[in-house]
Amino acid sequence: NAGVTQTPKFQVLKTGQSMTLQCAQDMNHEYMSWYRQDPGMGLRLIHYSVGAGITDQGEVPNGYNVSRSTTEDFPLRLLSAAPSQTSVYFCASSLARAPNGYTFGSGTRLTVV
Amino acid sequence: AQTVTQSQPEMSVQEAETVTLSCTYDTSESDYYLFWYKQPPSRQMILVIRQEAYKQQNATENRFSVNFQKAAKSFSLKISDSQLGDAAMYFCAYRSARRDDKIIFGKGTRLHILP
Repeated sequence: NAGVTQTPKFQVLKTGQSMTLQCAQDMNHEYMSWYRQDPGMGLRLIHYSVGAGITDQGEVPNGYNVSRSTTEDFPLRLLSAAPSQTSVYFCASSLARAPNGYTFGSGTRLTVV
Repeated sequence: AQTVTQSQPEMSVQEAETVTLSCTYDTSESDYYLFWYKQPPSRQMILVIRQEAYKQQNATENRFSVNFQKAAKSFSLKISDSQLGDAAMYFCAYRSARRDDKIIFGKGTRLHILP
């Protein structure tokens, strides 16, 4: 099994550009989420989904959109990149039952210049 | 809202010694799960250990063990016989037992292993 696959691993954007971070999992996990990691801030939840067609906002959703058309895929869209969105982004998934922790993707380091 | 606090931004320990990382959390719920994740320089997030709140027995995984104090809302991680490969950022995390709840992370503790 591939687990959680995130692409790309690195990206540089110019301010105002848009892009999509891809996330796919092959474990039939209902729950998927996106976090951003910044120095001294830990992991902060951007958006999450409890199943296909259902998404909800996390702690820091502004400037990001998500959709969940299939169980496997959960892309994160940056509509108009800003330097404040420079961060490391993680996609994670889990079964809906809480005892399981997340399986994480390998992360995307995004720099907005 | 639930919160997770790691009060030690950085810690150091001599190789082969034992170190304890602290974590406290705040919740009004009685049924939940707690986790410790390790993030080495490779950036990969690795689940180290988990604890179900309804279990009184502390979880252990080889050299890693926890001290779970439910009344005090404390969940510390003890690493025995520290090894160079243990150098990493460690995150404490909380998840409600409700089906659709998200995992909340602390801000992390960076652990240095001194040879």
